[in-house]
Amino acid sequence: AQSVTQPDIHITVSEGASLELRCNYSYGATPYLFWYVQSPGQGLQLLLKYFSGDTLVQGIKGFEAEFKRSQSSFNLRKPSVHWSDAAEYFCAVAIYNQGGKLIFGQGTELSVKP
Amino acid sequence: DAGVIQSPRHEVTEMGQEVTLRCKPISGHNSLFWYRQTMMRGLELLIYFNNNVPIDDSGMPEDRFSAKMPNASFSTLKIQPSEPRDSAVYFCASSLRGLSNTGELFFGEGSRLTVL
Repeated sequence: AQSVTQPDIHITVSEGASLELRCNYSYGATPYLFWYVQSPGQGLQLLLKYFSGDTLVQGIKGFEAEFKRSQSSFNLRKPSVHWSDAAEYFCAVAIYNQGGKLIFGQGTELSVKP
Repeated sequence: DAGVIQSPRHEVTEMGQEVTLRCKPISGHNSLFWYRQTMMRGLELLIYFNNNVPIDDSGMPEDRFSAKMPNASFSTLKIQPSEPRDSAVYFCASSLRGLSNTGELFFGEGSRLTVL
């Protein structure tokens, strides 16, 4: 069955430090992968997506993610975290043989220390 | 452009009452999704529609839940009767399907439901 795993429930980093959020997926075909961010009390906003081609994708707000097929991973990175990046981050995989629905991971909550 | 609009933003009701959540997708989008978010289960897909037709409702918890999309600009999610375990944030999302537009869901701000 298709699934997405985000191993870290909560991560705390200092402002200005680098960030990596982990995501592993299970999907038999070529995956379409996404990262979304959710600020408190808000809906989800797309950060970036991978469909094909270059395995390093750039997103909004200075985020990037790298698709590694051999590791079934799609980790999210940012070189220097800002306090406004504190939010919950969701990795997702699209199931296109089932009409395009997204399956989300459990989310990683990011806290930023001043 | 207006985003996905959900109402009400907050709803507090008593067990046994009927609850109706509403969603207006982005104009021109032809796929609509209802998700439920809880601390325990994360984001769960309840049901989604393509061109107003329900495609997959396997995520709907039980018969107390029903969803409709009578036209391209409106959808409802109804819970009757409601139970405390239905307390959650319910998100509606829409997308534009097609070869050049795949996968990005645009989410509403959610409807927070509390069933006492």
